Amino acid sequence: RKEVEQDPGPFNVPEGATVAFNCTYSNSASQSFFWYRQDCRKEPKLLMSVYSSGNEDGRFTAQLNRASQYISLLIRDSKLSDSATYLCVVNQAGTALIFGKGTTLSVSS
Amino acid sequence: NAGVTQTPKFQVLKTGQSMTLQCAQDMNHNSMYWYRQDPGMGLRLIYYSASEGTTDKGEVPNGYNVSRLNKREFSLRLESAAPSQTSVYFCASSERAGASGDGKNIQYFGAGTRLSVL
Repeated sequence: RKEVEQDPGPFNVPEGATVAFNCTYSNSASQSFFWYRQDCRKEPKLLMSVYSSGNEDGRFTAQLNRASQYISLLIRDSKLSDSATYLCVVNQAGTALIFGKGTTLSVSS
Repeated sequence: NAGVTQTPKFQVLKTGQSMTLQCAQDMNHNSMYWYRQDPGMGLRLIYYSASEGTTDKGEVPNGYNVSRLNKREFSLRLESAAPSQTSVYFCASSERAGASGDGKNIQYFGAGTRLSVL
């Protein structure tokens, strides 16, 4: 089983739609969880950290389920500018962060 | 607000040539990282430096060497480039490495180096 797994997509949605991505991780001792966003041919950038109680940043909501070892990202009222690849990131015991391969989102008008 | 700066942005090498990718950060971070990103493979850690004076292997270290020159700079060297090393290379830094719930292990990335080895 890969350490961090994501559905690669692509998810094709119209503007204004709500879309959700899930990610599963294998290391039950993981403590840090993030969603990064990567635009085509650009570097990854932090979208938001994910906390056990769940957290929201504007149209974005992240949830963590430790018992099932999965993380979710919900995007409401999708914008064209949300089109990107979303990377699920989990810390590995020790020092390294483990990146999922990403889920591609395409928002169309 | 330079953040993490990588040079060069693009490079074409012939098989067997050597080169060094440079990375510098101005955020006073302790930890620095080198990744490669290939289609369908995601980001893979090559080497990292948890603090000045230390370096450790990541998932794919073969064919690479690194130097943590000082707190700001972390370079990646390809001694004898191979076509399999054609990739996009990203440098990143964080305040510190390790498991953390305080955000201090959040990594910030440079713009990348696109390397082709012919």
